[in-house]
Amino acid sequence: DTAVSQTPKYLVTQMGNDKSIKCEQNLGHDTMYWYKQDSKKFLKIMFSYNNKELIINETVPNRFSPKSPDKAHLNLHINSLELGDSAVYFCASSQAGTGVGETQYFGPGTRLLVL
Amino acid sequence: QKEVEQDPGPLSVPEGAIVSLNCTYSNSAFQYFMWYRQYSRKGPELLMYTYSSGNKEDGRFTAQVDKSSKYISLFIRDSQPSDSATYLCAMSGGGADGLTFGKGTHLIIQP
Repeated sequence: DTAVSQTPKYLVTQMGNDKSIKCEQNLGHDTMYWYKQDSKKFLKIMFSYNNKELIINETVPNRFSPKSPDKAHLNLHINSLELGDSAVYFCASSQAGTGVGETQYFGPGTRLLVL
Repeated sequence: QKEVEQDPGPLSVPEGAIVSLNCTYSNSAFQYFMWYRQYSRKGPELLMYTYSSGNKEDGRFTAQVDKSSKYISLFIRDSQPSDSATYLCAMSGGGADGLTFGKGTHLIIQP
């Protein structure tokens, strides 16, 4: 069973379009995250959600909006895509705040290419 | 000064060698320290997790944390070609904090 899954795996789109990436976790975790990995392979936190509440919003453009319909899902919607949005987006989850459970488990990534 | 510094490599060693990977950090609030392995075109995979200072061993892998020096290490014994990957150190202050990653070290184990 895949613990953290993302769809689609690849996404190629034109500048200016709106797109969504979906994430689901079956680990029973209460916190989910979105990370961006740029062309230099640097992973950076974008958002985290805990019990449907946005906890962190690092300096990410408001064209990016995370949406969590329930504890097991955290989707990422991107408006007006720009060339600089091309990257690999990773979803992750954890059972945060329990001490031992601070570790995060990552999905396989979504490769976004904006043309 | 970046929060987490990690030498990107590449680091190339012969099969069977002991590998040492390191990160330094500046944020004293970090309490949780992790090492992830990432193969090409895959997601990061958790290898080791350590809370606060100390050592932790799991098979061929040993993680060390020295909070007084703000320095963490990962040792790989009897390295195998299948260990060839990018190794990312990561850390957090706890709670629902996102992880702060190093840039990753590209490791190559030569058969």
